[in-house]
Amino acid sequence: EAQVTQNPRYLITVTGKKLTVTCSQNMNHEYMSWYRQDPGLGLRQIYYSMNVEVTDKGDVPEGYKVSRKEKRNFPLILESPSPNQTSLYFCASRLFVGGRGTGELFFGEGSRLTVL
Amino acid sequence: GESVGLHLPTLSVQEGDNSIINCAYSNSASDYFIWYKQESGKGPQFIIDIRSNMDKRQGQRVTVLLNKTVKHLSLQIAATQPGDSAVYFCAENILTTDSWGKLQFGAGTQVVVTP
Repeated sequence: EAQVTQNPRYLITVTGKKLTVTCSQNMNHEYMSWYRQDPGLGLRQIYYSMNVEVTDKGDVPEGYKVSRKEKRNFPLILESPSPNQTSLYFCASRLFVGGRGTGELFFGEGSRLTVL
Repeated sequence: GESVGLHLPTLSVQEGDNSIINCAYSNSASDYFIWYKQESGKGPQFIIDIRSNMDKRQGQRVTVLLNKTVKHLSLQIAATQPGDSAVYFCAENILTTDSWGKLQFGAGTQVVVTP
């Protein structure tokens, strides 16, 4: 089954304690991205990656890091989490066809993070 | 800056009626538009998309209309069912130099289907 898998789905942590949210896709997509979703603000892009070892900042990258060492994995790292990073996080992947990205972003089920 | 927005944050629809969800966009460089559905506790799911060279596209019980003159996008759901209750997002793909484009999402509209 084609899917994007995120872990953990739920996490409560404390300020300053480093954490990693993993993301893996089994569709061989070149493009992967992280979003955060907050009430009234919709989905905002944190970081994205167009291929292995290629990453770039999205709209709200502050406080986050990513890496893309393998095509299937795209972990999101919070080096020193703060309460304003309490949010619902989504990883997504996208197919690249005919020289253009397609519209269909495949999303994971989400990771709800609470930073105390 | 340019943005994607939704006119109604909440839409209440009676079961069996048709739903219309509206979206305004302002970026003339967008080459296509997408509608996503997000059910409670789940990630967004692709519903339908439309290229900027089209005015209308139909799927199963859904129709997307694009009016480039007024920069307006709508999603019509025919014979709304309880399973259609969800948040619906429109997104525009803004062309970028890397050819991938950037998907910019609206805030979403909550659709509530009443019996």
